[in-house]
Amino acid sequence: NAGVTQTPKFRILKIGQSMTLQCTQDMNHNYMYWYRQDPGMGLKLIYYSVGAGITDKGEVPNGYNVSRSTTEDFPLRLELAAPSQTSVYFCASSYGGTPDTFGSGTRLTVV
Amino acid sequence: AQSVTQPDIHITVSEGASLELRCNYSYGATPYLFWYVQSPGQGLQLLLKYFSGDTLVQGIKGFEAEFKRSQSSFNLRKPSVHWSDAAGYFCARTMTFGNEKLTFGTGTRLTIIP
Repeated sequence: NAGVTQTPKFRILKIGQSMTLQCTQDMNHNYMYWYRQDPGMGLKLIYYSVGAGITDKGEVPNGYNVSRSTTEDFPLRLELAAPSQTSVYFCASSYGGTPDTFGSGTRLTVV
Repeated sequence: AQSVTQPDIHITVSEGASLELRCNYSYGATPYLFWYVQSPGQGLQLLLKYFSGDTLVQGIKGFEAEFKRSQSSFNLRKPSVHWSDAAGYFCARTMTFGNEKLTFGTGTRLTIIP
């Protein structure tokens, strides 16, 4: 099994551009999450989903949007990218409420 | 607000030596506590978790952690480290079972020297 797959691995955006970070899991997990990790910091929850069609805000949702049309996919959309969104983004999934399987991350730089 | 403190930003130990990584949580009702490991360039992997019961919790890769309510601590230990243990280690907590909103500490980076 592939686990949690994130694409792309690296991306450079210009200020004001938009992009979608893709996340897919093949474990039939109900719960999926998006985190960001800034240098020297712990992870902060952006959005999460407890099942297809259900999403909710985490700690730092501003500037982001998500959707969950299928169990497998949980894309994260950045609209009007800002330098403050430069970070490493991790997608995760689990059966229950605690993330236990993480993707390898997307390193995003906004210039 | 609930918080998690990892006071050691970086720790260096010799291969074969014992290891203890510190984690303290802010006061409040007994939290649910977790340790994750992040290998270079990788996502996090759950090492172990504490919900209730026995305060000494066994995890994967030979790690264990002990919950001490009196010290508000949940320190991670390993009796003998291997070079492959070099990684970032993150403590996390939530106040509600099954709560999706984990609070993470800032992490401890572990370096192993021969």
